[in-house]
Amino acid sequence: LAKTTQPISMDSYEGQEVNITCSHNNIATNDYITWYQQFPSQGPRFIIQGYKTKVTNEVASLFIPADRKSSTLSLPRVSLSDTAVYYCLVDPGGRYSTLTFGKGTMLLVSP
Amino acid sequence: DAGITQSPRHKVTETGTPVTLRCHQTENHRYMYWYRQDPGHGLRLIHYSYGVKDTDKGEVSDGYSVSRSKTEDFLLTLESATSSQTSVYFCAINDITDYYGYTFGSGTRLTVV
Repeated sequence: LAKTTQPISMDSYEGQEVNITCSHNNIATNDYITWYQQFPSQGPRFIIQGYKTKVTNEVASLFIPADRKSSTLSLPRVSLSDTAVYYCLVDPGGRYSTLTFGKGTMLLVSP
Repeated sequence: DAGITQSPRHKVTETGTPVTLRCHQTENHRYMYWYRQDPGHGLRLIHYSYGVKDTDKGEVSDGYSVSRSKTEDFLLTLESATSSQTSVYFCAINDITDYYGYTFGSGTRLTVV
């Protein structure tokens, strides 16, 4: 199972773009890259998933270079409500696979 | 999240007593999971199920058992609660045929005294 490494914490201000980079050097050919968000006292929430290149949804963008050894979650124009822990995971997919969570990145957005 | 509920939300129990946590879903998803979350450890998988009566162990299964007799219910039992099992427990569901990630419940905060 590919291990992920991401910064423990990041600070930002309202209105800025935030990029959180995750490294997954041992990612396998069939693995997807998935990001979750967790607010205090809540369960994690799925944000975005990608395999390669760029994926965008209403919440975030995910950039994955050709070698797939890293990925960057981009949050445009963050607000105070984006303060949360963000988890980068490698998802093997498949019928019997499970997700392994690391410690995530604590993003603090200030006024 | 709508479609998945955990009960109870909070529980205090004494060491040595059995405890059962319930996860109920209305999404008819085949896959269900129990995680625990502790400071410094993140979320760790306890047990999971890929169908009725089909379960498997996760990373930290010692001291826990599960049962799934219906698609909608996944029960986590602490056979004899210990203080080390004080934690926040999250249930999750997944539909791999139409993937939108795992959907997590709101959690159960369990304190063993």
